[in-house]
Amino acid sequence: AQSVTQPDIHITVSEGASLELRCNYSYGATPYLFWYVQSPGQGLQLLLKYFSGDTLVQGIKGFEAEFKRSQSSFNLRKPSVHWSDAAEYFCAVGTWINFGNEKLTFGTGTRLTIIP
Amino acid sequence: NAGVTQTPKFRVLKTGQSMTLLCAQDMNHEYMYWYRQDPGMGLRLIHYSVGEGTTAKGEVPDGYNVSRLKKQNFLLGLESAAPSQTSVYFCASSPFHGYTFGSGTRLTVV
Repeated sequence: AQSVTQPDIHITVSEGASLELRCNYSYGATPYLFWYVQSPGQGLQLLLKYFSGDTLVQGIKGFEAEFKRSQSSFNLRKPSVHWSDAAEYFCAVGTWINFGNEKLTFGTGTRLTIIP
Repeated sequence: NAGVTQTPKFRVLKTGQSMTLLCAQDMNHEYMYWYRQDPGMGLRLIHYSVGEGTTAKGEVPDGYNVSRLKKQNFLLGLESAAPSQTSVYFCASSPFHGYTFGSGTRLTVV
């Protein structure tokens, strides 16, 4: 069965510093991978997704993620964080339902705190 | 331009009571999903639907029922609420490779 591990429960970074959030997945086939962000009291917003092709994926808000099959990882990065990036971040792997749609299995999330 | 709308936003139930959570989407998406979010556990899939009139079980379906009588609506029912069902419930819909989430329903069962 598929699974997602986000090893960091809580990360604190200074505003302007770089960020990397870790995600490891377990899935038997080529994975569909996603990163979502959740602000307090809100739903989840899709940051980026990977299906195939270029292993470096660009998303919204200046985020990017790199798929590394050999490490079963899909880490999220941002070169310079802003105070508005404080939120909870979820990595997810998709299990195919049919063409173009999948069920998502989420990690437990990483809470990001930004300090001035 | 509402996207995915969930009602109600908050609800407190007594153990044994029943209720229905409504999810409505105006994007003509075929696929809809119900997830629950609990601290330290991420989101877990309860039920999903691949189109009007269809439903399927997810990871944690016990204690819940769903219906998709109209394409735009996906209802989640709790027949006899239990404290273990205290959670935040999220509905999502999907056009193609990526979900649009509602803002959630916070349910407390006392």
